[in-house]
Amino acid sequence: AQSVTQLDSQVPVFEEAPVELRCNYSSSVSVYLFWYVQYPNQGLQLLLKYLSGSTLVKGINGFEAEFNKSQTSFHLRKPSVHISDTAEYFCAVSDTGGFKTIFGAGTRLFVKA
Amino acid sequence: DTGVSQNPRHKITKRGQNVTFRCDPISEHNRLYWYRQTLGQGPEFLTYFQNEAQLEKSRLLSDRFSAERPKGSFSTLEIQRTEQGDSAMYLCASSSGGGTQDGYEQYFGPGTRLTVT
Repeated sequence: AQSVTQLDSQVPVFEEAPVELRCNYSSSVSVYLFWYVQYPNQGLQLLLKYLSGSTLVKGINGFEAEFNKSQTSFHLRKPSVHISDTAEYFCAVSDTGGFKTIFGAGTRLFVKA
Repeated sequence: DTGVSQNPRHKITKRGQNVTFRCDPISEHNRLYWYRQTLGQGPEFLTYFQNEAQLEKSRLLSDRFSAERPKGSFSTLEIQRTEQGDSAMYLCASSSGGGTQDGYEQYFGPGTRLTVT
């Protein structure tokens, strides 16, 4: 069975500061990893994904994540955040068939002016 | 491409009543997923379809829950004899399936918020 742990439920940060949202997973098989974002009153949308290849993955809106197999982590980073990045961020893992996807509990990123 | 749509957007029902939700996926997508999301939690996997075949069903889905995708297009999720614990946002997503990098991206609908009184 797979599981996902998002280590921070809320992350407050000032505008233009860097941010890291942490995600650890557990699985006995190879996995695919995803970060989804949910803006207020909107549906979830994909930020980025790791399927294979380079462990550093770049996504939309200047976000990137690094897959670390030895530490079973997939932390999300952005060097400089904007007010508009305020949202809920979900880390997710699926088997390599891409079928059943398990989501973490989410991290609420709050960007302050 | 109009995205994934879900109807109704909100449903208030009394305990013990049956409810049915509909999901219309992106037209060329052959995979369809149902999730439940409660306040402060991430989406919980309920079930998924490959075309019209229901390939996996979570243990979270009691016998009161049933999902169908009769022609491999739209899907319905029915909850019988609703309980207050069923109150949640029910999300539907679709994807084109494996084979390409983009095939694993799930596109989510806006959800149906169920309130059981």
